[in-house]
Amino acid sequence: SQQGEEDPQALSIQEGENATMNCSYKTSINNLQWYRQNSGRGLVHLILIRSNEREKHSGRLRVTLDTSKKSSSLLITASRAADTASYFCATDFGMNSGYSTLTFGKGTMLLVSP
Amino acid sequence: DARVTQTPRHKVTEMGQEVTMRCQPILGHNTVFWYRQTMMQGLELLAYFRNRAPLDDSGMPKDRFSAEMPDATLATLKIQPSEPRDSAVYFCASGLIGGAGPQYFGPGTRLTVL
Repeated sequence: SQQGEEDPQALSIQEGENATMNCSYKTSINNLQWYRQNSGRGLVHLILIRSNEREKHSGRLRVTLDTSKKSSSLLITASRAADTASYFCATDFGMNSGYSTLTFGKGTMLLVSP
Repeated sequence: DARVTQTPRHKVTEMGQEVTMRCQPILGHNTVFWYRQTMMQGLELLAYFRNRAPLDDSGMPKDRFSAEMPDATLATLKIQPSEPRDSAVYFCASGLIGGAGPQYFGPGTRLTVL
């Protein structure tokens, strides 16, 4: 399978702590994206990192990409109860047929307790 | 606040019945995706449209599923006949540059086939 795999599958932390989620993939990519899904809702795009970038920030989010290890990490700093959700990485492998689609991992379930 | 809308939000039907799900992508987005989410398989791409033309529907069971975009404001996913294994949440997403950019998800249609 070409899909990214998140690790851990589930993570439970206290408010104020940092949360780190990892994603590994198998083939070279054009970009990697992270999405959040609250229970019963659609996915929400968080951040996109291109294959020639190593790190990106957005508010309390920090994403790193290591193409040599085919892995990415999402760090949420100073977590809040509202960060409780599932987090997915999605990879764009850049198909040769002239278009590209995203392949999603199965996600990390994050629980932030007050 | 532009967003993708989907109807119905919930659908319960009996095996063998036809099911039609509708999606209104964000105005101006030229790519539309249909995904299916289950606990076992995660998020699977069913179909991908660009400028209303189907580019990829390889993830869709062709014998019972069909996807169309009759106009730029409406995408439909139809299952005929439905089976219990089709029970899942179906998401529509739209974007501007396919897998190379962010995708914006609708709230999903939760389908239960009895």
